[in-house]
Amino acid sequence: GQSLEQPSEVTAVEGAIVQINCTYQTSGFYGLSWYQQHDGGAPTFLSYNALDGLEETGRFSSFLSRSDSYGYLLLQELQMKDSASYFCAGWGGASKIIFGSGTRLSIRP
Amino acid sequence: DGGITQSPKYLFRKEGQNVTLSCEQNLNHDAMYWYRQDPGQGLRLIYYSQIVNDFQKGDIAEGYSVSREKKESFPLTVTSAKKNPTAFYLCASSSKGGTYEQYFGPGTRLTVT
Repeated sequence: GQSLEQPSEVTAVEGAIVQINCTYQTSGFYGLSWYQQHDGGAPTFLSYNALDGLEETGRFSSFLSRSDSYGYLLLQELQMKDSASYFCAGWGGASKIIFGSGTRLSIRP
Repeated sequence: DGGITQSPKYLFRKEGQNVTLSCEQNLNHDAMYWYRQDPGQGLRLIYYSQIVNDFQKGDIAEGYSVSREKKESFPLTVTSAKKNPTAFYLCASSSKGGTYEQYFGPGTRLTVT
């Protein structure tokens, strides 16, 4: 089967760095996407890794290792507004995308 | 401004009634999707459509139906046969070649009692 696993909750301090991991079990994913969702809101796209390595977009970076079926989202200089749920999603081409169950990030002052 | 609209934001229905959720996009995207999200859970795919007049079942299609008569519109009907339909429903769209990047509407929170 195809599944993605993430920690259910992560807590960090404002201004710090946090890493949210995602491991997946599938033979059909071409890459990994990350989405952010604030409580009651819609998910918004953050990044996509098609190739192994690190992709950087401002304070957010995403990493993929396809040989290890592993990826992570790195958030730097944490701000209170970064408190949200973060989902990894495996893309299998065409319209096939499978979401992980999400990681709830709580940030303390 | 381009985007996806869903209406209404909150919807209440009695058991035994069909209910239709609206989804409209003006992004000129070919692909559209419906997801269901339960509290503390990820997104589960209900139906998706890659072109007008064509759609495919996702992982949890039973008890739901869709249509795609126009590129801009992809309404979802939750039928009376659906067990436990209370959930947060999200519509999304993407370009044909970029389905790893989906744009989501604000969602409809459906409560069935």
